[in-house]
Amino acid sequence: AQKVTQAQTEISVVEKEDVTLDCVYETRDTTYYLFWYKQPPSGELVFLIRRNSFDEQNEISGRYSWNFQKSTSSFNFTITASQVVDSAVYFCALGTGANNLFFGTGTRLTVIP
Amino acid sequence: GAGVSQSPRYKVAKRGQDVALRCDPISGHVSLFWYQQALGQGPEFLTYFQNEAQLDKSGLPSDRFFAERPEGSVSTLKIQRTQQEDSAVYLCASRRTAAVNQPQHFGDGTRLSIL
Repeated sequence: AQKVTQAQTEISVVEKEDVTLDCVYETRDTTYYLFWYKQPPSGELVFLIRRNSFDEQNEISGRYSWNFQKSTSSFNFTITASQVVDSAVYFCALGTGANNLFFGTGTRLTVIP
Repeated sequence: GAGVSQSPRYKVAKRGQDVALRCDPISGHVSLFWYQQALGQGPEFLTYFQNEAQLDKSGLPSDRFFAERPEGSVSTLKIQRTQQEDSAVYLCASRRTAAVNQPQHFGDGTRLSIL
């Protein structure tokens, strides 16, 4: 069975602070894909990043960085120097041989000015 | 348009009525998905199309739910004899190819409220 756990329901930070969003996944598939999406109040899910199970190289894109660790089945997402525009719900998702994505329950991030 | 377009944006229906939700995927995208998102939850898979073929409908909660994509482009999700538990946001996503590793691109969703 596939499962994604985002234990943090809500996080609040003050602008310019760093924040890490946790994601833990479960799958028996040896090949899988992990995604992060951002859902602002408008409702649209915005794709942020994809990581393949065979590529554990961490990635940095501007203020965003991702830490993928197969040993702990985690795919954490860090925002440095947070901004008010980062306020949204963030979803971690798992894709396997089945075509659909399995989503976590999301983490609501509030950045306070 | 450049993104996935869904209509209507909001839909209110009385219990027992039928509703139809429309999705216009990104032009040329092969794969199309429907998800249901309850309040405070992540999206849950309903059904998947590759072109006009519905390859997976394992997530449809009951036989009241029906989806089609007759020409391999626009898709419609129909819910018959709506119930209050059908109230949710219905998200449509498209993907450029059939490859699982490609990202799905989502629309803004249709917020369905059943009174």
